[in-house]
Amino acid sequence: DAKTTQPPSMDCAEGRAANLPCNHSTISGNEYVYWYRQIHSQGPQYIIHGLKNNETNEMASLIITEDRKSSTLILPHATLRDTAVYYCIVRVDGYTGFQKLVFGTGTRLLVSP
Amino acid sequence: NAGVMQNPRHLVRRRGQEARLRCSPMKGHSHVYWYRQLPEEGLKFMVYLQKENIIDESGMPKERFSAEFPKEGPSILRIQQVVRGDSAAYFCASSPPTTEGNTIYFGEGSWLTVV
Repeated sequence: DAKTTQPPSMDCAEGRAANLPCNHSTISGNEYVYWYRQIHSQGPQYIIHGLKNNETNEMASLIITEDRKSSTLILPHATLRDTAVYYCIVRVDGYTGFQKLVFGTGTRLLVSP
Repeated sequence: NAGVMQNPRHLVRRRGQEARLRCSPMKGHSHVYWYRQLPEEGLKFMVYLQKENIIDESGMPKERFSAEFPKEGPSILRIQQVVRGDSAAYFCASSPPTTEGNTIYFGEGSWLTVV
């Protein structure tokens, strides 16, 4: 079962920031938070990941609360091409080398003109 | 998604036929994962393989489905005697051979339609 909770859908106006929340209140100390997105009829695309510090890359920023029980993915200037289902995933570690990703239902982000 | 290559992208099979889906991981990646996405549903883990070994197949249906990742060549997901319920998108992913924050990258998927 997925260990995260996300709102089922969100809307955002083009050019504005999209802030996607994720709750992961049972996260363990050595588990990372990963974000992927899936544009219709495409494979999941990696966006960003973090452990406890905030992270930023060319696609997005990830803000993780100090207690690590929740996080927010920020797309600073959403475009129509950012319309997708966004998945927040806590990485479940098995034994050496195993990085099983458990996908939940995600947030369907609709960016409108 | 660049680098993980899946083929065919689209495959149509009649009930009872076999489907073979191939996946070439990104260069330098030795771990391969297969996921299935039924229409209007989320991605479900099927199997995790390293070269010549199945590490975890807890998500694989007990019958008709098999996977391999030989020493040479791509990983193969094989579905025997396909039924209409096998119609889905099958995604392959790969990752490097370490666990410290290394990322899993997905391919574009293979869409299987059973008629």
